[in-house]
Amino acid sequence: DGGITQSPKYLFRKEGQNVTLSCEQNLNHDAMYWYRQDPGQGLRLIYYSQIVNDFQKGDIAEGYSVSREKKESFPLTVTSAQKNPTAFYLCASSGFEGGPSTDTQYFGPGTRLTVL
Amino acid sequence: AQTVTQSQPEMSVQEAETVTLSCTYDTSENNYYLFWYKQPPSRQMILVIRQEAYKQQNATENRFSVNFQKAAKSFSLKISDSQLGDTAMYFCAFGGSGTYKYIFGTGTRLKVLA
Repeated sequence: DGGITQSPKYLFRKEGQNVTLSCEQNLNHDAMYWYRQDPGQGLRLIYYSQIVNDFQKGDIAEGYSVSREKKESFPLTVTSAQKNPTAFYLCASSGFEGGPSTDTQYFGPGTRLTVL
Repeated sequence: AQTVTQSQPEMSVQEAETVTLSCTYDTSENNYYLFWYKQPPSRQMILVIRQEAYKQQNATENRFSVNFQKAAKSFSLKISDSQLGDTAMYFCAFGGSGTYKYIFGTGTRLKVLA
């Protein structure tokens, strides 16, 4: 089945630790995204990548880092510099359906990160 | 800058009835996309419906339809014959042409009552 997978589903981090969230897609999409969702709020963009080996900061990139070495993969690292990382993290991807740069984003199932 | 506003934090509807969720947005662009996403308790974000701004015809997907008023910058979602499985958070989103960034509203929590 084509889709987006995220792992793990639940992740616990101790103070001062870096953790990496995995996101993989087999939709052959060029663009991938990371969002953070806090209770009662919408989605906020952390990073996005339009092509391999290129990525751009979103609205709340501080304390996070990403890489895009393969088209299918866009891992997110939550560093110890992120002071309030407890949240739900969603990965998404989008492709071109005939032209415009912005297209439909499809989402993975998410990772719930909790700081202990 | 673009903004998306969902002014109804919570709504409820009886099973089999019709409900309309509101969304307004602000943009100076002429070409863009609008979306409604559903987030059930599983928290998976599911695309419900999509509308291209250059199309005057309102999008429909089975029981889901939109009322797109471009001049008023309004994009409401109508759910007909509501089902218990429609219980979820619903997010309105704006996608500008030429950009990869979406803007999401804060969501409307919909509860379908048996």
